[in-house]
Amino acid sequence: EAGVVQSPRYKIIEKKQPVAFWCNPISGHNTLYWYLQNLGQGPELLIRYENEEAVDDSQLPKDRFSAERLKGVDSTLKIQPAELGDSAVYLCASSSGQGAYTDTQYFGPGTRLTVL
Amino acid sequence: RKEVEQDPGPFNVPEGATVAFNCTYSNSASQSFFWYRQDCRKEPKLLMSVYSSGNEDGRFTAQLNRASQYISLLIRDSKLSDSATYLCVVNTRGATNKLIFGTGTLLAVQP
Repeated sequence: EAGVVQSPRYKIIEKKQPVAFWCNPISGHNTLYWYLQNLGQGPELLIRYENEEAVDDSQLPKDRFSAERLKGVDSTLKIQPAELGDSAVYLCASSSGQGAYTDTQYFGPGTRLTVL
Repeated sequence: RKEVEQDPGPFNVPEGATVAFNCTYSNSASQSFFWYRQDCRKEPKLLMSVYSSGNEDGRFTAQLNRASQYISLLIRDSKLSDSATYLCVVNTRGATNKLIFGTGTLLAVQP
């Protein structure tokens, strides 16, 4: 079974430029998560979707970050404009079920963003 | 104070050693507990869930002490392949399936 797919794996941009990351969850997983991981830190949740609905976006900096999951399958996370401090790894994860706290989350390989 | 705290390490141990990782969490409403493993430049992967009764999976033993809000992971007979970062993770009721990660503890097993 294919795991969580993310692209691109690496992205280098200049500050103030826009950037977008794409995630395709494991087939059949209706819950999708975007996390941010800074160097030397654990991942931090940005947004969680159940199907196409964003049910927890409290940690998403909405002035510059946006996300969508229009058909309840794949998802895009966008930053516009990017800042130097956005350099990090952006991880996507998915889980089956309805987001119960016992669900196992499976992570994709992440997109490593460098903002110059 | 961070919600989940771990010693960042690194822990440098010889092959065959027993190593223990400790973790504390601040939210007494936390309901489920996990250890994830993250290899260098890779994604986190679930190593094991942690139950109040303690649980064991081969060389790995996890313990939870709810009264002290303390979680541990013991690795016996360390292998070179155990070298990774071990992330302590808790999930809090009321924020369904919101995983709170510790900063991770880096383990380096030496030949």
